[in-house]
This record gives sequence, C-alpha cells and structure tokens, in this order.
Amino acid sequence: RKEVEQDPGPFNVPEGATVAFNCTYSNSASQSFFWYRQDCRKEPKLLMSVYSSGNEDGRFTAQLNRASQYISLLIRDSKLSDSATYLCVVDTGRRALTFGSGTRLQVQP
Amino acid sequence: NAGVTQTPKFRVLKTGQSMTLLCAQDMNHEYMYWYRQDPGMGLRLIHYSVGEGTTAKGEVPDGYNVSRLKKQNFLLGLESAAPSQTSVYFCASHGTSGRVSYEQYFGPGTRLTVT
Repeated sequence: RKEVEQDPGPFNVPEGATVAFNCTYSNSASQSFFWYRQDCRKEPKLLMSVYSSGNEDGRFTAQLNRASQYISLLIRDSKLSDSATYLCVVDTGRRALTFGSGTRLQVQP
Repeated sequence: NAGVTQTPKFRVLKTGQSMTLLCAQDMNHEYMYWYRQDPGMGLRLIHYSVGEGTTAKGEVPDGYNVSRLKKQNFLLGLESAAPSQTSVYFCASHGTSGRVSYEQYFGPGTRLTVT
C-alpha cells in the first residue's frame, strides 16, 4: 500500500466550478500535512498547510480527518490559472516528507 | 536571493557513465533533500541531509551517493548510470524558522536521460 494515495484524475471542470480532491495516508504517527501545487514541468510549491481544525486560504479550503487518515482540498470558483497537479504531502516523522502521486486538475473556459 | 538552484538543467548520459548533480541554496537552510520524479510515481526521496557533514538514505537510495561538505551545497552522484535512472531530479531545502514547519523550497529540476 502506498503511504499517500490520491486519485490521479484528471479532473476536468468548467471555470467557476467547485472541485474537491481527496487523499489518504497510512502513517498514523504523521503530524504535519500539506497540499503542494505543481505546474507542468515545474517544481512543486507549497499551496497550504492542513490543520486539524480545517483551514481556509481564499478560495481554497483544506480539511484533515485524523481518525480516517484522510485529507481533502476544496477549490471554489475555479480559475483557468488553477490548472495544475495538486500533491498531497505528509511528514514521515523523520524530518522528511512523503508525496502523493498528485491529482491533475484542468479548468476549462 | 536565488533560492534553490540546480546544475545542470538537462543532461544525457550513456549507460555506465558517471555524473554529479549540484544543488545550492542561499537561504541558510539546515535541511536539504534530493528527490526523483517519474510519471505516475510522484516524488520519491533519494537521500537527505539534516546538516553540514551529515547524510541519510531515503526511499530509493540505491545507485546514488551524496555529500554535504558545505551547508549551502548538496551533491548527488551517479557512479554508473543506468536507464532506470532516467528521471527528473529535484533538490529541496527547508530551515527551522520559516513561517510553515516543513515547508520545502524546490529547485527547478534536472532532466536526466540515460541511454
């Protein structure tokens, strides 16, 4: 079983749509969780951290369910510029991170 | 402030050749990482370093060696390249006083092809 599992997509949505991505992780000892964004042939960049109480950053909302070992990312009012691959990331507890394979989002005009 | 830089950006090697990838960061970060990214596999950790003079194995260390002689540099070596090492290699770093614990800053990547 992969340590971090994501639906690879692609998710094709029209502009203005709301889209949600899910991720599950296997290491119950993980304490830190993130969503990174990666544009085609570019390096990953931090989108947002995920906190236990859930957190929001503009149009982006992240949720964490520790009991189910499940993380989600909700994007509201999708923009063309949101088209990218979204990586679910979990710490290993050894000052290193484990990356999911990513979910590809394509926002269409 | 250049952030994280990688040299070279592209390289083609023949099987059995050796090469060194250089990663440099100017943010005074303690922690540095080397990943490889293959289609459908996500990023996989090769080796990492928690400080100058220290290195540790990651998920896929076989066929690679690393050195961290200076805090700002982290070198990844391939002693005898194999076609299975064709990949995109990313270097990353993070410090202990950033706004987000564990936020890793990535270099632009090195695209390596082994024929």
